[in-house]
Amino acid sequence: AQKVTQAQTEISVVEKEDVTLDCVYETRDTTYYLFWYKQPPSGELVFLIRRNSFDEQNEISGRYSWNFQKSTSSFNFTITASQVVDSAVYFCAGSTGTASKLTFGTGTRLQVTL
Amino acid sequence: KAGVTQTPRYLIKTRGQQVTLSCSPISGHRSVSWYQQTPGQGLQFLFEYFSETQRNKGNFPGRFSGRQFSNSRSEMNVSTLELGDSALYLCASSADRGRSGYTFGSGTRLTVV
Repeated sequence: AQKVTQAQTEISVVEKEDVTLDCVYETRDTTYYLFWYKQPPSGELVFLIRRNSFDEQNEISGRYSWNFQKSTSSFNFTITASQVVDSAVYFCAGSTGTASKLTFGTGTRLQVTL
Repeated sequence: KAGVTQTPRYLIKTRGQQVTLSCSPISGHRSVSWYQQTPGQGLQFLFEYFSETQRNKGNFPGRFSGRQFSNSRSEMNVSTLELGDSALYLCASSADRGRSGYTFGSGTRLTVV
């Protein structure tokens, strides 16, 4: 069995603040994949990043960065200098084996205001 | 490049009826997965199809079924609709069964009255 925990239900920040969204993934498998998705009000899930369990390198893409620490089972997502357009629900997800079945966390709603 | 297309976008059905939702994956993607999203249960995996065969199934009753055609388009069917089936149904496609990530469609919002 696997479990994805996003303890933060809702976060509100003012534009230009940095914000970190937490995710903890628990599984007994040694090979697994981790994902972050963004869901704007339109409903579509937008793919942000994928990591596999053997790749602990941090990744930066523009204002987004991800920190994966296998020792603590955490895969956290930081938005630097947040913008109003970042307002959305963010989901962390994990998958073992073939990666074809995603287990999602409950999501973190991020509200960025002016 | 066209994304994942789901039709219809919105649907209202009466309890006891059946419904069919359609998903056209990105061209070249042979893997299609379906998810149900509700406020109470969140995002839950329904099933995955690859090369016209169901490869994975979530924990849903037999009223939920699906299929995939030779052109990779997929349909899901829900029979004997219940009020609790009201949800956003999301379809996702992948070229490699999710290893590099899934691309999701905008979903079909089903309301059962």
